[in-house]
Amino acid sequence: SYELTQPPSVSVSPGQTARITCFGDKLPKQYVYWYQQKPGQAPVLVIYEDSARPSGIPERFSGSSSGTTVTLTISGVQAEDEADYYCQSADSSGTWVFGGGTKLTVL
Amino acid sequence: EVQLVESGGGLVKPGGSLRLSCAASGFTFTNAWMTWVRQAPGKGLEWVGHIKNNTDGGTTDYAAPVKGRFTISRDDSKNTLYLQMNSLKTEDTAVYYCATGLIWGQGILVTVSS
Repeated sequence: SYELTQPPSVSVSPGQTARITCFGDKLPKQYVYWYQQKPGQAPVLVIYEDSARPSGIPERFSGSSSGTTVTLTISGVQAEDEADYYCQSADSSGTWVFGGGTKLTVL
Repeated sequence: EVQLVESGGGLVKPGGSLRLSCAASGFTFTNAWMTWVRQAPGKGLEWVGHIKNNTDGGTTDYAAPVKGRFTISRDDSKNTLYLQMNSLKTEDTAVYYCATGLIWGQGILVTVSS
């Protein structure tokens, strides 16, 4: 079955840049969406179609794609960015696939 | 206000049934492909299934673990999405979210336990 692979954890100090990767062999042909989820809350879309940012999402969140790997970059990380982050893609029939999630720790 | 609100969760015994509802407001529900996602305690997000809008055929698709037991439907006249869950198993215990992608509900807890 199709899989998306994320690192389990990433740690950065406040003000630094966090990069969270998502690997999938079909990603060159599919868009990726990134969600932020804080404890006890529903996921929030922070990046769609690889690099677009929904209204209301801070500019420090950005996305990029290179072949089979997409990257969520958080520049100038703040304490409030500590959360789990999930990448997600969808095939042509609309089936969603999620990565396993990455826990971002702000030291 | 754009929102999705789930209801109908709770405690059910293994083998039992439950129907979740998801009330949509603030956007054109009839145009939306709607998806159910679940999250078991302490685990990641898992796609459960989706239903296309009627213009695109209104068809459904399901994840392998729930296929044949869960049914997704929609009532566009009520702007409401449903998830009928039958033959529930303990491993179906999770918070269930309805979503469009951009818009997510707050989630509803389903606990399957004897």
